[in-house]
Parts: sequence; structure tokens; C-alpha cells
Amino acid sequence: AQSVTQLDSHVSVSEGTPVLLRCNYSSSYSPSLFWYVQHPNKGLQLLLKYTSAATLVKGINGFEAEFKKSETSFHLTKPSAHMSDAAEYFCVVRGIKAAGNKLTFGGGTRVLVKP
Amino acid sequence: GAGVSQSPRYKVAKRGQDVALRCDPISGHVSLFWYQQALGQGPEFLTYFQNEAQLDKSGLPSDRFFAERPEGSVSTLKIQRTQQEDSAVYLCASSSTSQGPVGYNEQFFGPGTRLTVL
Repeated sequence: AQSVTQLDSHVSVSEGTPVLLRCNYSSSYSPSLFWYVQHPNKGLQLLLKYTSAATLVKGINGFEAEFKKSETSFHLTKPSAHMSDAAEYFCVVRGIKAAGNKLTFGGGTRVLVKP
Repeated sequence: GAGVSQSPRYKVAKRGQDVALRCDPISGHVSLFWYQQALGQGPEFLTYFQNEAQLDKSGLPSDRFFAERPEGSVSTLKIQRTQQEDSAVYLCASSSTSQGPVGYNEQFFGPGTRLTVL
């Protein structure tokens, strides 16, 4: 079984300040982990992925995430928020040995960026 | 190039009606997935196709839900005798190859169909 918990349902930041979105995972196997972003009325877009290579993963639009096995965490960060970062973000897990190929999503974190 | 498209984008149904939701994956994509996203929640897996074969339907919430992909391209998710709890956004995703036990082939998502059951 696998699951993800996003620790904050809402995060509010000022433009130009750092963003931190927290995610903890649970997986019976060595997991593949992802962050997806969902803008209003648009499809989910992959930000970055971890698949057992480097533990610090860089994604699009200046986002990065660090896989910490000891803490079972995969937090998403960005040094400086932009207005266009306002969206909902999902932490996602896929177990490598999963019988199916489904993705398991967290509950989401809605990011508000204040000017 | 064209991404994943879904139709209709919005659907309002009266309780008890049957609905059919369509997904057009990216051309040539082998794998196709359906997810259900309730208001304020993350998407939840419903079912997975590899070409025309439905390999995993463990997420379908009841036997009122049925999905097909007869020619390995377009897929239809059908919900019979809709209930209010079926109200959600239904997302379709496709990926270019079959999903192996290692690695990951990105799933590309469509914009979703928002179903409202009155």
C-alpha cells in the first residue's frame, strides 16, 4: 500500500519570497515520487519526478524537491514565488512494484501568492 | 501538438440518468487512465487500459461505473443511474508506453469533465 500526506491544505506567500510545500509518503517499496501542478481549468502538469536517482530533483519553473528517505519526505521548494505560481499542487507516489500503474495523489496544497 | 482532450467539459445530469464521458488520448499513446477528483480533494485512480485491454479496474467505486477502449484509442467512461455522490471532475490521462515496474513514463492529463448530478 502507498499513500501521501500533504501537511498544508493552503499556503500563502508574498511574491518574491520562498515557497515550501510539505509532503510525507508511505510506501511498501522504494517509491517513485512526483509533484504535479493544477491551474484553474487546465490539466495537471508534471513539475518534477524522483525515480531513485539523485535525491535533489530540479523541475520546471524553478521548483525543486528533495527526497529524504529517513524522514519519508519529499518537500517542494522554490526560492522566489511568482504570481503565476498561484495554483494547486499535488504530491504523488507510485510504487515501483505496484501491481497496477496508478498514481496515488495527496489531498493537495492550494498556493496563494500575494503581490 | 494536440494534448489529451475530453468531452463534454461540463455535464449536468439528473439523479438516475446515465452519462458517458469521452477521452481522446494523445495519438499513439498506449496507456490510458481515468481518475475521479471530488471537490477539494486529490484525484483518485479509477481504471487503467493498455491498448484495448483493461488491466486494472480496482478503483471503480461501484458496478454502475464502466469504462471501455475498444480500439485502443478513444475511451469512454460510462456511469449508470447517476447519484449525487458521483459529482466530481473526471480526469483522463495517457502515456506513451506501457508502464513497467521501473522508471516512469509521464502521464499527460486532459482538462477533465466536471459532472454535476442534481
